[in-house]
Amino acid sequence: AQKVTQAQTEISVVEKEDVTLDCVYETRDTTYYLFWYKQPPSGELVFLIRRNSFDEQNEISGRYSWNFQKSTSSFNFTITASQVVDSAVYFCALSEANMGRRALTFGSGTRLQVQP
Amino acid sequence: DGGITQSPKYLFRKEGQNVTLSCEQNLNHDAMYWYRQDPGQGLRLIYYSQIVNDFQKGDIAEGYSVSREKKESFPLTVTSAQKNPTAFYLCASARDLMNTEAFFGQGTRLTVV
Repeated sequence: AQKVTQAQTEISVVEKEDVTLDCVYETRDTTYYLFWYKQPPSGELVFLIRRNSFDEQNEISGRYSWNFQKSTSSFNFTITASQVVDSAVYFCALSEANMGRRALTFGSGTRLQVQP
Repeated sequence: DGGITQSPKYLFRKEGQNVTLSCEQNLNHDAMYWYRQDPGQGLRLIYYSQIVNDFQKGDIAEGYSVSREKKESFPLTVTSAQKNPTAFYLCASARDLMNTEAFFGQGTRLTVV
């Protein structure tokens, strides 16, 4: 069965620090998709990135970067020079293309607090 | 503006009552989902639908029911059989079930009083 683990429940940093959010996944499917979502205090989930299992290239988008490593089943998310507006709960999620249902399975989330 | 609208934002229910949460999207998406979020936990899948008049149970479907009579709408009914209904409910839609990104509504916070 598919599973996503976010071991860090809560992280607190000071503004301008770099921070990495960890995500480890389990799946038996050979084709799968990994996602990161941000949940600000308003509650709505905001899509950040989607990565398929055949593309292990790291991705950078402004201050955000993602490190996908199939060898360790990890899809970690780094925020460089964090800002107060980055404070939110971040969820990693997985969906399988061939096995089981095609719906997102979420980790338990990591709450990031960025102090001014 | 295109998006997903959930209503109401806050809902209070007495024990033993059924209550229906609304979810409407104007993104022309085929797939729609309902998730439940409890404090300190991730989102758990209740039901999902690929097309009109078709829906599938997720991980925690007991005590819930849905319908998909129109492409734009996917209401969720929380029945009295749901033992612990107090939670935050999120509706989402996606272009299809082929692992495209899902877009979420702002959620409904249900409290049983």
